[in-house]
Amino acid sequence: AQSVTQPDIHITVSEGASLELRCNYSYGATPYLFWYVQSPGQGLQLLLKYFSGDTLVQGIKGFEAEFKRSQSSFNLRKPSVHWSDAAEYFCAVGARVSGNTPLVFGKGTRLSVIA
Amino acid sequence: GAVVSQHPSWVICKSGTSVKIECRSLDFQATTMFWYRQFPKQSLMLMATSNEGSKATYEQGVEKDKFLINHASLTLSTLTVTSAHPEDSSFYICSARRGGSDNQPQHFGDGTRLSIL
Repeated sequence: AQSVTQPDIHITVSEGASLELRCNYSYGATPYLFWYVQSPGQGLQLLLKYFSGDTLVQGIKGFEAEFKRSQSSFNLRKPSVHWSDAAEYFCAVGARVSGNTPLVFGKGTRLSVIA
Repeated sequence: GAVVSQHPSWVICKSGTSVKIECRSLDFQATTMFWYRQFPKQSLMLMATSNEGSKATYEQGVEKDKFLINHASLTLSTLTVTSAHPEDSSFYICSARRGGSDNQPQHFGDGTRLSIL
């Protein structure tokens, strides 16, 4: 079974600074990988996804993530953080199997943005 | 595209009441829908996987008689919390996946905050 680790529970960055949120996964093959963002009291919004091909994936809101097979990682990055990026971020992994298996989510990283 | 609507967004009711939460995929057909529960400042806990036209698959520890799931069409799944008690108070989120393939992302509703008095 697959699993996801987000090592950082809470990260604080200054507005305009760069951001990197870490995600490590465990799976026997190349998984499907996703990043979601959740604002307080809201559902989850898909930021980006990786299935195959180019290991650098561009998403919405200026986010990107890079799949590194050798490190079993899928870290999320943004070159310049905006105050509106403050939210909870979840990394998720999906298995490459037939049938509808649910995504497995990490515990999340809460991002705070300071002026 | 891929919009999931969840209703109601907030429910406050007395202990012993049954509460129904609806999850609709507005612009796509969802063969599978997922129901999650989220406690404050925690990740999502999968409660059950719901496939259209068949019985839901519940995760270990989730009482299927307490949390009734019905997925009667390709665009609608419902979660009914029966005889709700204060410990059932939580944030419930549904998710839908387009088609029947695991390479499709899950799209989420905005959640339902359930408060049982």
